[in-house]
Amino acid sequence: QKEVEQDPGPLSVPEGAIVSLNCTYSNSAFQYFMWYRQYSRKGPELLMYTYSSGNKEDGRFTAQVDKSSKYISLFIRDSQPSDSATYLCALLSGNTPLVFGKGTRLSVIA
Amino acid sequence: KAGVTQTPRYLIKTRGQQVTLSCSPISGHRSVSWYQQTPGQGLQFLFEYFSETQRNKGNFPGRFSGRQFSNSRSEMNVSTLELGDSALYLCASSEDQGRIYGYTFGSGTRLTVV
Repeated sequence: QKEVEQDPGPLSVPEGAIVSLNCTYSNSAFQYFMWYRQYSRKGPELLMYTYSSGNKEDGRFTAQVDKSSKYISLFIRDSQPSDSATYLCALLSGNTPLVFGKGTRLSVIA
Repeated sequence: KAGVTQTPRYLIKTRGQQVTLSCSPISGHRSVSWYQQTPGQGLQFLFEYFSETQRNKGNFPGRFSGRQFSNSRSEMNVSTLELGDSALYLCASSEDQGRIYGYTFGSGTRLTVV
């Protein structure tokens, strides 16, 4: 079983839709949870960061962590064509390096 | 604040050659990590340096090496290049090994081995 599982998509939605992106993980030692957005030919950009179970909201983005289920989500409200990118979950524990999911490619169609 | 700067942006090398990639972290960041990104494997961790010391190393052959200088700038070297080394190499910096503010990535170096 991989440490972090993420559906690669692609996911295609109409503009204005609510998007749900998810990752599951197997190592209960993970304590820090991040979502990165990566546009083509660019490096990943940190979108959301949380270190506890529950929800964290930032504008149109909400990150959700459920440690008991080892499940993390990113919700995008009122999606825009500019949100079209690859979204990567990334997890951190103790003194170990950041572990990434494979990424989900999202297309928002105008 | 300037972001993470990676040079060069693009590189084409021949099998068997060696290559050195450079990364300048955000000012004040002492932690630098390197990742290899390919379509099939995603982002895979290479190594992490903190204050010139290697803190972690990923599962890559010894042909991949790195170092960090006293000004926190980092280089990675790949010797005896193979076709499979073609990838986007990403550098990320952090002031706290990612525990509080996460990591900031550069735009990467696209390496093509022919």
